[in-house]
Amino acid sequence: DQQVKQNSPSLSVQEGRISILNCDYTNSMFDYFLWYKKYPAEGPTFLISISSIKDKNEDGRFTVFLNKSAKHLSLHIVPSQPGDSAVYFCAAIESGTYKYIFGTGTRLKVLA
Amino acid sequence: KAGVTQTPRYLIKTRGQQVTLSCSPISGHRSVSWYQQTPGQGLQFLFEYFSETQRNKGNFPGRFSGRQFSNSRSEMNVSTLELGDSALYLCATKPGTSEWETQYFGPGTRLLVL
Repeated sequence: DQQVKQNSPSLSVQEGRISILNCDYTNSMFDYFLWYKKYPAEGPTFLISISSIKDKNEDGRFTVFLNKSAKHLSLHIVPSQPGDSAVYFCAAIESGTYKYIFGTGTRLKVLA
Repeated sequence: KAGVTQTPRYLIKTRGQQVTLSCSPISGHRSVSWYQQTPGQGLQFLFEYFSETQRNKGNFPGRFSGRQFSNSRSEMNVSTLELGDSALYLCATKPGTSEWETQYFGPGTRLLVL
C-alpha cells in the first residue's frame, strides 16, 4: 500500500517557466515532509522540507506548499532551469517513527 | 565535513551468491538507513540502524539483513541472491536523535545479479 504517491511519472517544462511537482499522501500521522532531487548515478540530495504546522516554505527558486486537509503537497520551481532536470522524490515522516516513506518519483525535464 | 560513502560502487554477482555492502556515515551521524531503488518502484525502505540497534524495518524478506558497528558504519547483507535483487542500494544517514532530521544519502551501490 503506497502511502506517498507521485502520480505523474514525468513532466516536461520549458526553461524559465514554472515546474509544479505534486505528491499525495494517505497517512494523517505524517508530520514532516521533504523533497529530494536525484541525478542518474548519484544519491538523492535534499532540497526543501516543511513541517505540518506550516503551509508554505520557500528557499530561493524552490517553494513547497502543504494542504493538510487534502493530504497534498507540491513543489514549485520558478524559474525552471535545464540543470533542474532530474528525478524528484517526495518523502514523509510519520510522527514517532523516525522513518521516511518515499514516493515513486517524478522525472522532470526542463527544455532549453 | 566528508559525506556519506558507500563501497563498493558497482558489483556483479550470480544467483545464489551473497553480497555485503558497506556504508560510512557523516561524522556524528548515528542513524543509518538502507533503501533499494528499482525502476518504477521509488525508494523502498529496508531498515534503519541507530546506535547499533535496528530501530525500523521495511517489508523485505529475511535474506536482507544489516548491522551497525560502534563507529556507526553499517553493512547490509543479501543472501541467496535473486535476479530481482538487481537494483541501486542507497544508504542515508542523519544524527538520529530527533524525528525531524534531514537525511543525507550516499552515492549508492549498483548491484547486478546474473
